Amino acid sequence: DTGVSQDPRHKITKRGQNVTFRCDPISEHNRLYWYRQTLGQGPEFLTYFQNEAQLEKSRLLSDRFSAERPKGSFSTLEIQRTEQGDSAMYLCASSRDRRGAGELFFGEGSRLTVL
Amino acid sequence: AQKITQTQPGMFVQEKEAVTLDCTYDTSDPSYGLFWYKQPSSGEMIFLIYQGSYDQQNATEGRYSLNFQKARKSANLVISASQLGDSAMYFCAMREGGDMRFGAGTRLTVKP
Repeated sequence: DTGVSQDPRHKITKRGQNVTFRCDPISEHNRLYWYRQTLGQGPEFLTYFQNEAQLEKSRLLSDRFSAERPKGSFSTLEIQRTEQGDSAMYLCASSRDRRGAGELFFGEGSRLTVL
Repeated sequence: AQKITQTQPGMFVQEKEAVTLDCTYDTSDPSYGLFWYKQPSSGEMIFLIYQGSYDQQNATEGRYSLNFQKARKSANLVISASQLGDSAMYFCAMREGGDMRFGAGTRLTVKP
C-alpha cells in the first residue's frame, strides 16, 4: 500500500485556463476528501465522497469547481476558468467508512499557482 | 459557522517541557470525533491522536494526550517532554457524520 497519491504535485497556469487534479486513495478506503489550504491556514473543506457518491460540497465552493469519483476509486478535481485567488495547495485524503472514528490519510498535495 | 476554534496562533515552549494547545468545538450531534494533526514545514499532514465523543477516558498516544472536557466542548492537546522535532503547525479537527473540519491551527516552536 503506497498511501494516497496526488498528481500533479505542482501546476502553474494562466488565469482563465482549466486545471484538473487527480487523487488515488488508499485502496480499501471508501471515503475520499478534497481540501484547499493556503499558507498559514487550516485545510478548508471542499467536498467528500463515499464510494462514487458525492455526499457533501462546501457552500463556499463556486460553480467553477467540480469533483468526480466515477468508479469509487480515484477522484478528479477540476477548476474551470482559474483565478489568481485559486492559488493554493489542494489536498486529497481518504479514510474508511466509520462514523466518528477513522482518521484521514492525506496525500502530499497538488500546489496550484495561477499567474 | 466556524465549528473548530484554535485561539493560539503561535506558541513557544522550551525543549523538554510540556505544552498545551487549545481547541474548542461546537456541535449538536451527540456522536462526533475529535482529531489532532501535525503539519511540519515539509507540508505532510500527520495524524496524532483521536478522541470519540463517547470515550470515557482521555486519549493518549506516546507523548501526546488529549484533555477532553465534553461539557466545555474543549479538546486540548498536551505534548509532554517537547522535542525540537515537535516544531510544526498543529490542527484540531472534528468529524460529524462523514465530513471533517479543521481549525486555523497553532504554530508551535520548540526552543533549545
